[in-house]
Amino acid sequence: DAKTTQPTSMDCAEGRAANLPCNHSTISGNEYVYWYRQIHSQGPQYIIHGLKNNETNEMASLIITEDRKSSTLILPHATLRDTAVYYCIVRVRDMRFGAGTRLTVKP
Amino acid sequence: NAGVTQTPKFRVLKTGQSMTLLCAQDMNHEYMYWYRQDPGMGLRLIHYSVGEGTTAKGEVPDGYNVSRLKKQNFLLGLESAAPSQTSVYFCASSYSGGSRETQYFGPGTRLLVL
Repeated sequence: DAKTTQPTSMDCAEGRAANLPCNHSTISGNEYVYWYRQIHSQGPQYIIHGLKNNETNEMASLIITEDRKSSTLILPHATLRDTAVYYCIVRVRDMRFGAGTRLTVKP
Repeated sequence: NAGVTQTPKFRVLKTGQSMTLLCAQDMNHEYMYWYRQDPGMGLRLIHYSVGEGTTAKGEVPDGYNVSRLKKQNFLLGLESAAPSQTSVYFCASSYSGGSRETQYFGPGTRLLVL
């Protein structure tokens, strides 16, 4: 399975867009990019996933570069409740969660 | 739908004691997973199951055993607990194991081994 690299932490102002990057340069052709988040000590929550096209749902947008070696999760209007650890995962079978990015949304 | 539930929510054990963590899902999912999360760390896969009666090792299986006797339940056992097993344990399930699957997580079980 491909490995991912994410910044350790990021801050974002409330109401602004939060852009969370992820590098996955060893991704293979059939591996999807998944994003989960974990608020405080709760169980991880699914956000979005994609293969090669950009994706959007009610929570976020996922932008995947053409070479698929990196992606960006976009929370269009971050709120204080979006403060969480965000995990970028590339997998075929068993998920490997790294340390993720700790996003802090500030008022 | 309750989704994924875990029992108990919190437990304190003494070194050498045994216990079983129960995970239940009501989504008719084939795949189930057990993860552990240590403070400040990401989740690590302990064991998983691709269907009733089958189990497989994950990234950190030592010291744990699992059973999947019923499709909706996945049990995680600690035969002789050690302080290194102090952690938060998360169970997850998914419909399939393919590239497009989404895992749904339970609320976690906090285990303290003294």
